[in-house]
Amino acid sequence: DAGVIQSPRHEVTEMGQEVTLRCKPISGHNSLFWYRQTMMRGLELLIYFNNNVPIDDSGMPEDRFSAKMPNASFSTLKIQPSEPRDSAVYFCASSFSGTGAAQPQHFGDGTRLSIL
Amino acid sequence: AQSVAQPEDQVNVAEGNPLTVKCTYSVSGNPYLFWYVQYPNRGLQFLLKYITGDNLVKGSYGFEAEFNKSQTSFHLKKPSALVSDSALYFCAGTNTDKLIFGTGTRLQVFP
Repeated sequence: DAGVIQSPRHEVTEMGQEVTLRCKPISGHNSLFWYRQTMMRGLELLIYFNNNVPIDDSGMPEDRFSAKMPNASFSTLKIQPSEPRDSAVYFCASSFSGTGAAQPQHFGDGTRLSIL
Repeated sequence: AQSVAQPEDQVNVAEGNPLTVKCTYSVSGNPYLFWYVQYPNRGLQFLLKYITGDNLVKGSYGFEAEFNKSQTSFHLKKPSALVSDSALYFCAGTNTDKLIFGTGTRLQVFP
């Protein structure tokens, strides 16, 4: 089975440009998470969706960041305008969330973003 | 506030020796606890989880973890380390769907 698919794997762009990161979760999973990983701050949860609805966006750094999940098989994370401090690896993860115990999250291989 | 702590930034162990990567948690109620491994340029991979039941949980690649409620710990263990186990290991906990991750421990296994 295909895992979580993220695109692009690498993105290099100049500050001020719009950046869009894409994620396809595992089929059948109904929760989707966006994380950011840096050496300084480690792994940070930015936002998560359940059944396509944003549940917690308290980790989104500022208004320059936005995320959407128009359907169960696709999500985007957009940065506009981008800044050098946004440089990081961005991960998408998905899981099945139902009643009962938490299920493991499955991670994509990330998008390495460099803002010049 | 709920938290997960990994007190060691790095653990060094010789190949063939047992390894332990430490994790303590502060999660209210009945915690769900997880271990993940991250190899270079890859996403986190699920190793094992504790939900309820036996305190010793077995997972992938020969890893296991011991849940200790009185010490609020969930240490990752392996009886005999391999060089290929060298990676970054994350402990995580929750009582909802939102995982709280530790800061990670880099495991270095020397030949």
